[in-house]
Amino acid sequence: NAGVTQTPKFRVLKTGQSMTLLCAQDMNHEYMYWYRQDPGMGLRLIHYSVGEGTTAKGEVPDGYNVSRLKKQNFLLGLESAAPSQTSVYFCASSPLGGGVVQFFGPGTRLTVL
Amino acid sequence: RKEVEQDPGPFNVPEGATVAFNCTYSNSASQSFFWYRQDCRKEPKLLMSVYSSGNEDGRFTAQLNRASQYISLLIRDSKLSDSATYLCVVGGGSNYKLTFGKGTLLTVNP
Repeated sequence: NAGVTQTPKFRVLKTGQSMTLLCAQDMNHEYMYWYRQDPGMGLRLIHYSVGEGTTAKGEVPDGYNVSRLKKQNFLLGLESAAPSQTSVYFCASSPLGGGVVQFFGPGTRLTVL
Repeated sequence: RKEVEQDPGPFNVPEGATVAFNCTYSNSASQSFFWYRQDCRKEPKLLMSVYSSGNEDGRFTAQLNRASQYISLLIRDSKLSDSATYLCVVGGGSNYKLTFGKGTLLTVNP
């Protein structure tokens, strides 16, 4: 099993450009999450999904949209990138919610100029 | 009070040393507790879950004190490969969320 995979691994955008980050998991997990990690801030939850076709906002959802059309995939979109969105983005999945262990993908390093 | 607060670190210890990390959490309804490890420029990975009775995995011992809302991690006989950031993680206060501490950087020196 590949576990949780993320594409791309790195990306540089100019302010105002859009992009989509893809997360895929092959563990048949119900829950999926998108986090961002910034120096001194720790991991912060952007959006999450409790199953195919569902999404919900986390702590820092502004400027991001998500979709979960298939159980194994969770997409994170930036419609109009801003320098404040420069970060490392991690996707995670878990078999249940409620504080069950989450498994992380390798991350996407995004720079917005 | 921050939701999950850890020692700020960094910790620099020699090989073979014993090192302890502490963590406090604010939500008394929390139900699950973990230590994750994150290597430089890598993703967080589960190191161990933390149970009320305390638990041990080789050189690693985790303790939980629900009354004080306090979690600890003890690493004995430190190895160079233990160098990483250790994240205290708390969950279960709501039905989806894990809350991560900011992490403590450990460097084990030869």
